[in-house]
Amino acid sequence: NAGVMQNPRHLVRRRGQEARLRCSPMKGHSHVYWYRQLPEEGLKFMVYLQKENIIDESGMPKERFSAEFPKEGPSILRIQQVVRGDSAAYFCASSQPGQGNYGYTFGSGTRLTVV
Amino acid sequence: GEDVEQSLFLSVREGDSSVINCTYTDSSSTYLYWYKQEPGAGLQLLTYIFSNMDMKQDQRLTVLLNKKDKHLSLRIADTQTGDSAIYFCAEENQAGTALIFGKGTTLSVSS
Repeated sequence: NAGVMQNPRHLVRRRGQEARLRCSPMKGHSHVYWYRQLPEEGLKFMVYLQKENIIDESGMPKERFSAEFPKEGPSILRIQQVVRGDSAAYFCASSQPGQGNYGYTFGSGTRLTVV
Repeated sequence: GEDVEQSLFLSVREGDSSVINCTYTDSSSTYLYWYKQEPGAGLQLLTYIFSNMDMKQDQRLTVLLNKKDKHLSLRIADTQTGDSAIYFCAEENQAGTALIFGKGTTLSVSS
């Protein structure tokens, strides 16, 4: 069981480009959560997805950010037209139905740098 | 609103006990959590406590919860250099769909 897999580990983008971050949940987990960690800050919730459904996107910026978790394949967090303020570590977590928050397993994160 | 506060730094000597403190705002949180983050890594769940408990012990870790004061603490007994990391306290949001994290306490253990 490989755990929660995120790729890439590091991503460098120029301002105005698109960033696509991928997350494969643990085997058997159908709930995915994305969090962002700005330098010297705690993690901030962005979005909670189940297969083909967005359950809670209250933490997502209204523009440029989107997330999906298709029936097949990994969850994708997409940031269009990146700006320097998007530079952060983006963490994905997954859980099984019924485990709730205490069943979270985090991935190692994708560190996005916008230059 | 929902918020979690922690002190930012703690420095201890190897073998001493470490106590990391946290205050939270949402009394509806069913569970409260402690996570550990090592450099360049994701967060690892250390322990969690059900909101109707006062204390939970797990080997070297002791969690104390004061619901009246909305205060949570993590005590690490016999602290080792391998315990050096950032420790995050977290509560659940009101919808129960996400965790709200503090900014983290950096624990530095010297030998």
